[in-house]
Amino acid sequence: GQQLNQSPQSMFIQEGEDVSMNCTSSSIFNTWLWYKQDPGEGPVLLIALYKAGELTSNGRLTAQFGITRKDSFLNISASIPSDVGIYFCAGVYNNNDMRFGAGTRLTVKP
Amino acid sequence: DVKVTQSSRYLVKRTGEKVFLECVQDMDHENMFWYRQDPGLGLRLIYFSYDVKMKEKGDIPEGYSVSREKKERFSLILESASTNQTSMYLCATRTFLALTFGSGTRLTVV
Repeated sequence: GQQLNQSPQSMFIQEGEDVSMNCTSSSIFNTWLWYKQDPGEGPVLLIALYKAGELTSNGRLTAQFGITRKDSFLNISASIPSDVGIYFCAGVYNNNDMRFGAGTRLTVKP
Repeated sequence: DVKVTQSSRYLVKRTGEKVFLECVQDMDHENMFWYRQDPGLGLRLIYFSYDVKMKEKGDIPEGYSVSREKKERFSLILESASTNQTSMYLCATRTFLALTFGSGTRLTVV
């Protein structure tokens, strides 16, 4: 099946800095999703992207569906301590074929 | 909002035991999923179900089975637990294309 490469694996940043992470694939997807997992909890959906080239924002988060349909990017601006967690990308090919990246673990130092 | 409830947050079981992980959703959704989460590997699909008494294998079904006797309940069964099944287990239901996850069950097999 399709594999997702998510990078970076981990990030240690200072509060107030901007963050960028991305997912790439050798195959195309029809939908890209970004999730955040707080410690001890299940992942929660942050942003959903349904069209190639789409750019969507949710507060300080901005995500883009790559024009080739093989990648997606998530940016977090002006990070705060509660941004700590693991961020997962997910690509959806058809209704029951969803692939997850390995996750980016974000640490924010006050 | 959809609520997905996993009955146990933490479980410790012995090798060879039969283990049941329970998941209940409150929104009458047809599709339910079981994933396991391991560091560096992201989320991997074990089984999913699109209706009562229906089940489909995911990417890593070996050593697991599932039961869906009622629409709201999807159970994951470890027939004979082994130490390599120590992991975080996440149940999810699907809303349009996005998944809603439970809080997870961290299973340790000793």
